[in-house]
Amino acid sequence: DIQMTQSPSTLSASVGDRVTISCRASQSISGWLAWYQQKPGKAPKLLIYKASSLESGVPSRFSGSGSGTEFTLTISSLQPDDFATYYCHQYNSYSSLTFGGGTKVEIK
Amino acid sequence: EVQLVESGGGLVKPGGSLRLSCAASGFIFSSYSMSWVRQAPGKGLEWVSSISSSTTFISYADSLRGRFTISRDNAKNSLYLQMNSLRAEDTAIYYCARRPESGMDVWGQGTTVTVSS
Repeated sequence: DIQMTQSPSTLSASVGDRVTISCRASQSISGWLAWYQQKPGKAPKLLIYKASSLESGVPSRFSGSGSGTEFTLTISSLQPDDFATYYCHQYNSYSSLTFGGGTKVEIK
Repeated sequence: EVQLVESGGGLVKPGGSLRLSCAASGFIFSSYSMSWVRQAPGKGLEWVSSISSSTTFISYADSLRGRFTISRDNAKNSLYLQMNSLRAEDTAIYYCARRPESGMDVWGQGTTVTVSS
């Protein structure tokens, strides 16, 4: 199975900061990666698919990059609504999907 | 409105069974692959199982194969998860989600399963 390692696990930042979250795959997944945002008590929300495609309705301050085994989610200017937990998700193999462990973005 | 609504969760004793349902509306259910994803209390997301639109392809997390069975009824716009031989570690919120093969773009609100004696 493909393992997904996210870093950091927790991130403290201030409103207006540029925030970067990393996700590493144990083997190449080409560009078959998605990013989700989850707030407490809520279902995850799709932000990015195919590594860098912005889901409809998601603010443009969110962006994704990478291919192969190294991927990044960037929030260009952190807003109060962005404090949440973020997960990467690989779908390179339909028979075995995996999520990263999550990155909690906290208020500094 | 595109919507997924899970039901069927509850409290069950270890070794027991439960069947979860996910009712879809607002889109052509039969055109989409679907998945179940779970989240244990205070933990991250864990993929459980996926099923293609016509049930041609079905897959499970290795740790669950043999105990859980995914199915769907396209005529009823519904997705199911039959869970047998439940263990304490199966305690979680179970979400159904659309389009696992290209980013899960629609999620239900989740249904809570608690396995305890």
